[in-house]
Amino acid sequence: AQKITQTQPGMFVQEKEAVTLDCTYDTSDPSYGLFWYKQPSSGEMIFLIYQGSYDQQNATEGRYSLNFQKARKSANLVISASQLGDSAMYFCAMREGGTDKLIFGTGTRLQVFP
Amino acid sequence: DTAVSQTPKYLVTQMGNDKSIKCEQNLGHDTMYWYKQDSKKFLKIMFSYNNKELIINETVPNRFSPKSPDKAHLNLHINSLELGDSAVYFCASSQVFSGGARETQYFGPGTRLLVL
Repeated sequence: AQKITQTQPGMFVQEKEAVTLDCTYDTSDPSYGLFWYKQPSSGEMIFLIYQGSYDQQNATEGRYSLNFQKARKSANLVISASQLGDSAMYFCAMREGGTDKLIFGTGTRLQVFP
Repeated sequence: DTAVSQTPKYLVTQMGNDKSIKCEQNLGHDTMYWYKQDSKKFLKIMFSYNNKELIINETVPNRFSPKSPDKAHLNLHINSLELGDSAVYFCASSQVFSGGARETQYFGPGTRLLVL
């Protein structure tokens, strides 16, 4: 079964607008971590934001925030005030408690246009 | 001030050859990983090492052999390269806290391997 699902293969957003990238996950482990990474066209993987399953508040890092809805098993990434440099692939990933490996979704390609 | 570095960045080679990719991290982390990203951009873990000890070994052909001389280095040696090995290989590192508390994996820039 797919553990991390990103249903949007591609998204478009206009500069300065906000955009939400969807991510749902599947686990029976009560302890887990959720991550978002950005992969620009240059190819590197850049860590953006982390949410722990026991965290009471949604994570925020600058223009990035994570809309964590535990009951729905969703961990959507919200990018506010999009910039042209935000154009990239975005990957959602999960680490289950007791394991050390990240399980990645298939990614969403975001394109920001002027 | 590079955190996780990999060499080479690009590797083009013939089928059947043996090649190595090197990874070094200067973050003081005790766990390192190899991930493979295929042509459809799907990322999957291959191996992880904690303090030079193999922790994760996913279903990877035994032509792939990781080696960790110390906790700052994790190399990947690939024997008898095949066309299907063409991919981007990422090294990553993290600090594992006691009790399995949160840690983030930081990735290297990737090595683009093309097998002809």
